[in-house]
Amino acid sequence: EIVLTQSPGTLPLSPGDTATLSCRASDSVNSDYLAWFQQKIGQTPRLLIFGTSTRATGIPDRFSGSGSGTEFTLTISRLQPEDFAVYYCQHYGSLIYTFGQGTKLEI
Amino acid sequence: QVQLVQSGAEVKKPGSSVKVSCKASGGTFTSYTFSWVRQAPGQGLEWMGRVVPSYDMANYATKFLDRVTITADKSTTTVYMHLSSLRSEDTAIYYCVTVDLGVDYWGQGTLLTVSS
Repeated sequence: EIVLTQSPGTLPLSPGDTATLSCRASDSVNSDYLAWFQQKIGQTPRLLIFGTSTRATGIPDRFSGSGSGTEFTLTISRLQPEDFAVYYCQHYGSLIYTFGQGTKLEI
Repeated sequence: QVQLVQSGAEVKKPGSSVKVSCKASGGTFTSYTFSWVRQAPGQGLEWMGRVVPSYDMANYATKFLDRVTITADKSTTTVYMHLSSLRSEDTAIYYCVTVDLGVDYWGQGTLLTVSS
């Protein structure tokens, strides 16, 4: 079972900054099956990125994903106030899916 | 567009079991894979397992392998998650979710409280 480790646990930034969130897999994964979700307080999660770098419907191009093998990154440019939330990576390329533990992006 | 409507909140005693339902509408039920994800208070997302209705196949996270059963009823387009041997640590919101063509669909969540 793949274990995903996200870093940092908390990322303090300001509006206008660029956020770089990391997701490390315990073993090499197929980049076709790596996703990122955003969750705001009191809301259900929302898919941002799938297949490592493809933005989900309606997601602004300030969000971008990259990576391969065991190292994956979510980059959020020009942070907006509504971007401050918790972000999770997910691997869904095997019979067993897994989530990382999350990175909290805070002001 | 898929809509997922889950059953209501549950309060259970330790050692008992619970069955949560998730009614799907607005799409072709057998073309989707449905996962169950839970979130304990103040904690992260935890994937529990998934069901593929077209194959009547389910897969489970190792942690839940001996306690969870996920099934799909094609006749009612409803997915079920049965969790047994409940303990206080199972107190959480349980979500059913599916992703189709880059769009995710989540149920509204079912709060399970396990308390004596």
